[in-house]
Formats: sequence, structure tokens, C-alpha cells
Amino acid sequence: AQKVTQAQTEISVVEKEDVTLDCVYETRDTTYYLFWYKQPPSGELVFLIRRNSFDEQNEISGRYSWNFQKSTSSFNFTITASQVVDSAVYFCALSEAGNNAGNMLTFGGGTRLMVKP
Amino acid sequence: DAGVIQSPRHEVTEMGQEVTLRCKPISGHDYLFWYRQTMMRGLELLIYFNNNVPIDDSGMPEDRFSAKMPNASFSTLKIQPSEPRDSAVYFCASSLGQAGSPLHFGNGTRLTVT
Repeated sequence: AQKVTQAQTEISVVEKEDVTLDCVYETRDTTYYLFWYKQPPSGELVFLIRRNSFDEQNEISGRYSWNFQKSTSSFNFTITASQVVDSAVYFCALSEAGNNAGNMLTFGGGTRLMVKP
Repeated sequence: DAGVIQSPRHEVTEMGQEVTLRCKPISGHDYLFWYRQTMMRGLELLIYFNNNVPIDDSGMPEDRFSAKMPNASFSTLKIQPSEPRDSAVYFCASSLGQAGSPLHFGNGTRLTVT
């Protein structure tokens, strides 16, 4: 069965610091997709990024970057020069392509990031 | 384009009452999901539909919970009778049919059962 672990329950940083959110996953499928979502204090879930299991190229989008390593089953998320507006709960999630799983997501427990001014 | 629309945003009800949560998915999306978020259990999948057909309802906690999708643009999640432990935020999400398509979530319904 699939599983996503976010070992960091809560992280607190000061504005402009870099911060990395860890995500480790388990799956038996060879084809799968990994996601990050952001849940700001207002409560909605916002899609940030998707990676498929065949593409280990790291991705950068502005201050955000993602490091996908199949060898360690990890999909870590780094925010460079953090800002107060980055304060939110961040969820890592997995969907498997096989077993008629549809696109259902299995979520990690989330990491609450607090960026202090 | 409008995103996933859920109603109501907040619902407060007394134990034993029937509660109905509503969702309008994004037009053209083939999949619809109902998730529940609690502090203790995090985000857990309750049920999902493909082309209006329920595919997996193994996450529905009890017979008190039921979900329907009478057409491609509307779904309901009903709890009857409600209990205090049902208090949570309920999210509806939809996605395209292509494997790996991201889920797009509504703003959620915060349910409080007293």
C-alpha cells in the first residue's frame, strides 16, 4: 500500500532564511506521481507541483525548488529566502497509476511552516 | 474558469440531525473526490467517482455516510444521523481523467456537530 511520510510536523524560520520540507514515500507501483500542496491559514488546498516517477529532474519555480530522488524515495521541497506569506501547512501527496487507482491522492501528515518577520 | 464550488462553507448542527454537503466540480473533469480533514487523522479519502460512478467508497467511515453524484456537475455527501466525531473540514476535489492529473480542491465545508 502507498504511504507518504512528512517527518517534520512544524518548522519555524525567520524571514529570508532557506527552508527544506522533507517528504518520503512508499509505493509498489513503477509509475506514480508526486505532488505538493499548500494550505494557507485561510484553509484552501492549493496545488503547487506534480512530478512523475520517470522524471527525476529537479525543478525550480521562483523561490521554490523540488528535489526528487528515487534512490531514497524522497521528494523534498525547498523555499529560498522565505517570506511571511509562505507561512502555511504544506502537504506532500502520492498517486499511483496502476490498479485502477484513478487519480486518488494519499497525503502525508503535513508540515506547518511558520515564517517570522 | 470557476474552480470547485462547495456549499455551505460552514455548517453547525446538533447531534442526530441530517447534514448534506454539496459540490460542483470543474466542468470537464472526470473524477470527483470527497476528503475529510481532521487534526487526528489528517486528510483522508472518503469516496471518489469516475464519470459519476462511485469507484471506491472504502474510506466512508460508517453507514451513516453516503455520497451521490446524479450528474457530472453535482455531488452530495450526506451524514445521517450526525455525531460530534463527524466534526471536520470536508473537501471536494475534481480532476481530469488523465493519469497523474492534479486534484483541484474546493474551499471546504467546516462541519461542527454539537
